[in-house]
Amino acid sequence: KAGVTQTPRYLIKTRGQQVTLSCSPISGHRSVSWYQQTPGQGLQFLFEYFSETQRNKGNFPGRFSGRQFSNSRSEMNVSTLELGDSALYLCASSSLWTGGNTDTQYFGPGTRLTVL
Amino acid sequence: KQEVTQIPAALSVPEGENLVLNCSFTDSAIYNLQWFRQDPGKGLTSLLLIQSSQREQTSGRLNASLDKSSGRSTLYIAASQPGDSATYLCAVRRTTGFQKLVFGTGTRLLVSP
Repeated sequence: KAGVTQTPRYLIKTRGQQVTLSCSPISGHRSVSWYQQTPGQGLQFLFEYFSETQRNKGNFPGRFSGRQFSNSRSEMNVSTLELGDSALYLCASSSLWTGGNTDTQYFGPGTRLTVL
Repeated sequence: KQEVTQIPAALSVPEGENLVLNCSFTDSAIYNLQWFRQDPGKGLTSLLLIQSSQREQTSGRLNASLDKSSGRSTLYIAASQPGDSATYLCAVRRTTGFQKLVFGTGTRLLVSP
């Protein structure tokens, strides 16, 4: 079974630009979560999607947005990039969300975004 | 607000040693706790998941325990190997907040041959 895939793996952008990152969950997984990892802040939760609906959102400005498609693939978008957005962006998938779900979350390799 | 702390921040041991990594969390209302490893520049690999009703989980040379009442978890690595060198992260999933994980700061482990 293929793991979580993220594209692209590396991105270099300049301040003010926007960027779209993609995440394909493990086949059959319907829940996708996004995290930002930086040396200073560690791993911070961005948002979570299940069945094309955003279920939860972290403490990030509105420049960060996301969506999920009917095939469970997810994208996140960052508009008006700032230097501080440079980070490793990770997505994770899990199989089912039932409100009481306790399944393992599987992470992709991440997208390394550098903002110049 | 859930806060997760990992001690020590870094650990260096010779090959063959048994070692313990610690994880503390402030809010005991958790669904589960998960341990991950992260190699430099890579994503996270899930090692063990402990449900809130469980006390421990084992996988090979790894054993993780959970004491929800005291807000603590430990990851025990037996007979460490150079290939175990990585950053180890614990994360808790709360009873609210759907699948959101709250991560600790990590322990960077170096196992020398």
